Amino acid sequence: KAGVTQTPRYLIKTRGQQVTLSCSPISGHRSVSWYQQTPGQGLQFLFEYFSETQRNKGNFPGRFSGRQFSNSRSEMNVSTLELGDSALYLCASSLEGTDTQYFGPGTRLTVL
Amino acid sequence: QQQVKQSPQSLIVQKGGIPIINCAYENTAFDYFPWYQQFPGKGPALLIAIRPDVSEKKEGRFTISFNKSAKQFSLHIMDSQPGDSATYFCAASKAETSGSRLTFGEGTQLTVNP
Repeated sequence: KAGVTQTPRYLIKTRGQQVTLSCSPISGHRSVSWYQQTPGQGLQFLFEYFSETQRNKGNFPGRFSGRQFSNSRSEMNVSTLELGDSALYLCASSLEGTDTQYFGPGTRLTVL
Repeated sequence: QQQVKQSPQSLIVQKGGIPIINCAYENTAFDYFPWYQQFPGKGPALLIAIRPDVSEKKEGRFTISFNKSAKQFSLHIMDSQPGDSATYFCAASKAETSGSRLTFGEGTQLTVNP
């Protein structure tokens, strides 16, 4: 079974731009979570989607948003990019009723 | 409290040594405690996980010890190998959002010298 895939793997943007990242979960997984990883703040939960609905949300500003499609694929969007948004954005999927989250390789976003 | 505190920040051991990484949590609602391993350029991969009703769990060379009263848990890597050199994260989640909202520790960078 294919793992979690994320596209693109690398992105370079400038301040003020917006960006959309994509995540395809493992087949059959309907829960998709997003995390931000930075050297200073570590791994922080952004939000979780299940059946096209946001089920949990972390403590991030409204510039960070996401959505999930009927095929469970998910996108996250960051508007009005700031230098501090430079990070590795990780997507994880899990099977409903189980605890294990499987992470993708991440998208490395650099904001200049 | 949502924090999970992890120590040490970095750890260097010789091949065959037993590195131990410790984590402490405050929120007694946490009921799932996984450990993840992350290599550079990769996403975290689940190593082993434990629930509070068990005091120890072993999978291969990896063992979790759990102390519910102290709200602490630790990872032991037996017979460590250079290939174990990676960053290790402990994490925790609550029952009502089981598995879907992980709170991570700060990470421990482990180096195993040959």
